[in-house]
Amino acid sequence: GQQLNQSPQSMFIQEGEDVSMNCTSSSIFNTWLWYKQDPGEGPVLLIALYKAGELTSNGRLTAQFGITRKDSFLNISASIPSDVGIYFCAGPFLDSGTYKYIFGTGTRLKVLA
Amino acid sequence: DSGVTQTPKHLITATGQRVTLRCSPRSGDLSVYWYQQSLDQGLQFLIQYYNGEERAKGNILERFSAQQFPDLHSELNLSSLELGDSALYFCASSVLAGGFETQYFGPGTRLLVL
Repeated sequence: GQQLNQSPQSMFIQEGEDVSMNCTSSSIFNTWLWYKQDPGEGPVLLIALYKAGELTSNGRLTAQFGITRKDSFLNISASIPSDVGIYFCAGPFLDSGTYKYIFGTGTRLKVLA
Repeated sequence: DSGVTQTPKHLITATGQRVTLRCSPRSGDLSVYWYQQSLDQGLQFLIQYYNGEERAKGNILERFSAQQFPDLHSELNLSSLELGDSALYFCASSVLAGGFETQYFGPGTRLLVL
């Protein structure tokens, strides 16, 4: 079935470092969404991308919609301890005539103070 | 606070039992989605309702069912529970029927089956 693969699976970084992660698919997506999930909480939408090549920022976060429409990237600049959590990419895909959302495998971020 | 509410927050029950999870979408949202998240796993889409009608179905077991009521709140019913059903169950809502709009997630219900 459809899968979204995220890389890296997990990472430890020092506070103040920049972080990069990506999400790839074997199929074309028309929308890419990036969510962050804190432990025991629901995912929170960070950035939504709707157009190939689009680059969108939300504070220290920047996400890009890959020009092939099969990937997306999320960057976090100058990381802080509260950036810790799981980052998921997600997107809708057409299945049997209806759109369903699929979530990536997640990137677990741990920030060392 | 996303505006989506879920109750209960925690639920502990035994194998073979039946439970009902409840979700109230954001004001004005017509779509409700249900997801299952097992320990350290991603979110698995279960089912979507739009304005009271089933819209899309994902990997939902036959032992599970859902409905959306006229006031747009939704319930997910889990029956004949098994140990492997222990997970976080999230509800999300959005304005439209699906495709390009974003979803807003509730805080989840943590189900533990003993």
